[in-house]
Amino acid sequence: QKEVEQDPGPLSVPEGAIVSLNCTYSNSAFQYFMWYRQYSRKGPELLMYTYSSGNKEDGRFTAQVDKSSKYISLFIRDSQPSDSATYLCAPSPTSSYKLIFGSGTRLLVRP
Amino acid sequence: DTGVSQDPRHKITKRGQNVTFRCDPISEHNRLYWYRQTLGQGPEFLTYFQNEAQLEKSRLLSDRFSAERPKGSFSTLEIQRTEQGDSAMYLCASSGDGTGANVLTFGAGSRLTVL
Repeated sequence: QKEVEQDPGPLSVPEGAIVSLNCTYSNSAFQYFMWYRQYSRKGPELLMYTYSSGNKEDGRFTAQVDKSSKYISLFIRDSQPSDSATYLCAPSPTSSYKLIFGSGTRLLVRP
Repeated sequence: DTGVSQDPRHKITKRGQNVTFRCDPISEHNRLYWYRQTLGQGPEFLTYFQNEAQLEKSRLLSDRFSAERPKGSFSTLEIQRTEQGDSAMYLCASSGDGTGANVLTFGAGSRLTVL
């Protein structure tokens, strides 16, 4: 079993839809939960991150962590074609510099 | 500051040749990382520097790979005797210390194609 599992997609939605992207993980030591967005042939860019459990909102994006079920979610409201990219979850322990990335979910938002 | 810079962006080489990639991190970041990403996969950790000290190397980093960060600023990743399996995107990232340590800023990557 991989430490971080992510559905590869692709996930295709119409513009304006609410998108839900998810990851599961197996390591109880993970405390930081990062979401990166990666456009084709570009490096990953940090979208947002949360520490421990709970929700965090940033504009149209909401990150949610449920440590009891080891489940991480990213919600995108009012999705736009410019949101079309691969979304990578990357949890890590508190003191670790090493991120463990999921394989990424490819999202396509249709105009 | 223009972020993390990587050069070259794309390198095509023949099997058996040596290649070197360069990374210039964000200037105030003292931590530097190399990751490798193959098609359809997330980035995988290769190695990590704190200033000029290389503190960890993944078992993915075979003896043909060497990374340096001579003055704690830019870093190079060299692959000797390249193999077709080395074809991948090589990503460099940097971060600060303390609470920002987990927040990595990535460069655009150096794509390697081994023929």
